[in-house]
Amino acid sequence: KQEVTQIPAALSVPEGENLVLNCSFTDSAIYNLQWFRQDPGKGLTSLLLIQSSQREQTSGRLNASLDKSSGRSTLYIAASQPGDSATYLCAVLNSNYQLIWGAGTKLIIKP
Amino acid sequence: DADVTQTPRNRITKTGKRIMLECSQTKGHDRMYWYRQDPGLGLRLIYYSFDVKDINKGEISDGYSVSRQAQAKFSLSLESAIPNQTALYFCATSAAGQGDTEAFFGQGTRLTVV
Repeated sequence: KQEVTQIPAALSVPEGENLVLNCSFTDSAIYNLQWFRQDPGKGLTSLLLIQSSQREQTSGRLNASLDKSSGRSTLYIAASQPGDSATYLCAVLNSNYQLIWGAGTKLIIKP
Repeated sequence: DADVTQTPRNRITKTGKRIMLECSQTKGHDRMYWYRQDPGLGLRLIYYSFDVKDINKGEISDGYSVSRQAQAKFSLSLESAIPNQTALYFCATSAAGQGDTEAFFGQGTRLTVV
């Protein structure tokens, strides 16, 4: 059974710092891995999608990497801003086309 | 207008009542999903559908049922609501495909069962 773990559960850093969020999964048989952002009381916004054949994807200040063989992904946020404060969720698309989710990392960027 | 719309956005209901949550999408996607989110936990899959004639149970389907009325509509019902079904519910869609299929989510329905 696929399990997805995100570490840390919460993170608080000063504005301007670069930071890394971690996601690990137990079964490498995935089609893709997706990172999402969730703001309080709101829905989920897709940030980056990495296909199983890819190593990384970039969008603006965000960079996500995927090491399928070791079951790990990282989300790198450069030059963090208070507006980056949110919960970040990773999910893997398994062989049954189901998204399996981590519990998320709650990120607070202090001005 | 949002691509994936959930109604209602918030609902308080009493134990034992039947309640329906609705989801509609304008993405033209075949695949639709219902998830619930509890504090401190990831999203968990309740039911999913890959086309109008296809319904599949997810990880936590007990106490729930669904109806895929059309490609664009996928409803979730709680036949007899109980307090531990209090949660945030999300509907999602995705196109058919494999590695390149991105999921799109509604804004969520916050359900409280008292």
